Amino acid sequence: GESVGLHLPTLSVQEGDNSIINCAYSNSASDYFIWYKQESGKGPQFIIDIRSNMDKRQGQRVTVLLNKTVKHLSLQIAATQPGDSAVYFCAEDSTGNQFYFGTGTSLTVIP
Amino acid sequence: DAGITQSPRHKVTETGTPVTLRCHQTENHRYMYWYRQDPGHGLRLIHYSYGVKDTDKGEVSDGYSVSRSKTEDFLLTLESATSSQTSVYFCAISESINAGELFFGEGSRLTVL
Repeated sequence: GESVGLHLPTLSVQEGDNSIINCAYSNSASDYFIWYKQESGKGPQFIIDIRSNMDKRQGQRVTVLLNKTVKHLSLQIAATQPGDSAVYFCAEDSTGNQFYFGTGTSLTVIP
Repeated sequence: DAGITQSPRHKVTETGTPVTLRCHQTENHRYMYWYRQDPGHGLRLIHYSYGVKDTDKGEVSDGYSVSRSKTEDFLLTLESATSSQTSVYFCAISESINAGELFFGEGSRLTVL
């Protein structure tokens, strides 16, 4: 089966600093990746996605980097705010019909 | 927010009883999914649907069945609930496969005693 894992289960950052959340995947055939944010008691929400033909994609305050050589992607959040505190998941898809999710990283923003 | 409603939001039941969770969408999206979320496992796909009466198994489908008789409704049934099925269940929808985001519901917390 797929293996999507995160390097660190928890991450604490000071408000205003940049956050970097990492994700490793094992299937070299994966061609589509998404980052989700999940706040306590809610369902996951889409943050940003990237396809395997790209190395980098930017959104509002977020950047996703994809390194296919080492099967790693990261989510960078600029100027982290208290509202960014949540669990972040990466998800990969190689089959075209199933996403495989990582176990999540809990981000805590310290005021 | 995408129009996805899950019911019930919370349920406590006993081992061996049948349980049905309902997902209702107002977005007219073709694809619907049921995931379970457990500590240490992230989200795992149970079943998904790619149209009315068209369903397929996901990663952890054993012990679960689904039905989709209308575009807007996707039902997840546990024929005989077990304690290992205690989890938070999320419904998700998407317009297409592998071409966009999943929109998730708020989740249904199921406890099997």
